[in-house]
Amino acid sequence: DAGVTQSPTHLIKTRGQHVTLRCSPISGHKSVSWYQQVLGQGPQFIFQYYEKEERGRGNFPDRFSARQFPNYSSELNVNALLLGDSALYLCASSDEPLYNSPLHFGNGTRLTVT
Amino acid sequence: DAKTTQPPSMDCAEGRAANLPCNHSTISGNEYVYWYRQIHSQGPQYIIHGLKNNETNEMASLIITEDRKSSTLILPHATLRDTAVYYCIVRNAGGTSYGKLTFGQGTILTVHP
Repeated sequence: DAGVTQSPTHLIKTRGQHVTLRCSPISGHKSVSWYQQVLGQGPQFIFQYYEKEERGRGNFPDRFSARQFPNYSSELNVNALLLGDSALYLCASSDEPLYNSPLHFGNGTRLTVT
Repeated sequence: DAKTTQPPSMDCAEGRAANLPCNHSTISGNEYVYWYRQIHSQGPQYIIHGLKNNETNEMASLIITEDRKSSTLILPHATLRDTAVYYCIVRNAGGTSYGKLTFGQGTILTVHP
């Protein structure tokens, strides 16, 4: 079975530009979460979506937004890119919005802002 | 979220058991203990989770103390491919943000030949 897939795998953008990252959850999973991982640190929670509704938001500026589509895939959008947005962006999916339902991560999109 | 404390690094010989400790003294009664690992340049991989009973799956065993203030992840026969950063996470059971995992710095496990 296919795991969580993310695209693109790598991306280079210039300061001030906009970027869209995409995620396809494991088949049957309805919940998608986004994380940012800066080099040398653990992943940090950005958003969670379930059934196309935002269910949680981390401490990130309004430049970060996301949405979930009827097929449960998701997009993360970042506007007005800063150098500090350079990171690995991870998507995770789970089948139920329960605390004993594991999240399964994709391998991420490596974003470099120059 | 309950805070976890892990040693920054550990070594293990190939073929031996790797025992990774985690302290979570402020854990609440309905909070789960999760373990993930991350191999360089990949996403975190789910290993195992538990509430209060010991758990075992094809990857590892999780031993949670009776007072739930600490736990140990056991990889029974470590291989070189088990070299990774291991994260112990207490998953917050409150609120509506089911997708939130709070990662710390983790333990860098190095398996030696």
